[in-house]
Amino acid sequence: GDSVTQTEGQVALSEEDFLTIHCNYSASGYPALFWYVQYPGEGPQFLFRASRDKEKGSSRGFEATYDKGTTSFHLRKASVQESDSAVYYCALGESNMGYKLTFGTGTSLLVDP
Amino acid sequence: EAAVTQSPRNKVTVTGGNVTLSCRQTNSHNYMYWYRQDTGHGLRLIHYSYGAGNLQIGDVPDGYKATRTTQEDFFLLLELASPSQTSLYFCASSDDGGNTGQLYFGEGSKLTVL
Repeated sequence: GDSVTQTEGQVALSEEDFLTIHCNYSASGYPALFWYVQYPGEGPQFLFRASRDKEKGSSRGFEATYDKGTTSFHLRKASVQESDSAVYYCALGESNMGYKLTFGTGTSLLVDP
Repeated sequence: EAAVTQSPRNKVTVTGGNVTLSCRQTNSHNYMYWYRQDTGHGLRLIHYSYGAGNLQIGDVPDGYKATRTTQEDFFLLLELASPSQTSLYFCASSDDGGNTGQLYFGEGSKLTVL
């Protein structure tokens, strides 16, 4: 079945550092790819999506580019802030399945001031 | 802003007990979902529905039943709870009309099975 792999369980950075969180996927079809963010005590929130090869999604200074060749959708931000501390989830889904999203295991980002 | 409300927010039960988790969304979304969240596993889909009376099987359905009574209400039922079902449960809804795949999550229901 479809799957999403996030290799980093935890990432610790200082403010203004550059962030990369890796996401690779495996799917039989041509899925849409998503990033969600979860702050402590809350449910996950949609960050952005991309639905075709080479499309870039972005929001709140975060961005990721759909790469069908490497089956990747890595999350990047040029300069992180303490308020970015949260858990980030990569996910995939297909519209013909009512966007039954498959999530990765999540990456916890801690940013020191 | 989409609103998804879950109840109870915290529940403690014993092995073999009956538990019902409730979810209500007030945005006329067609799709509703139940996920469980566990460390090391992320979010895993239990059941989902695309309308009243409809139920679709998710990826980890064993030990769970679900029922969608109205467009607004989606229930998750654990009829013989086990310690392995101790988890944080999230309900979500989405508007398939926009076809964005954007899910709106509730704040979660923490279940402990002793």
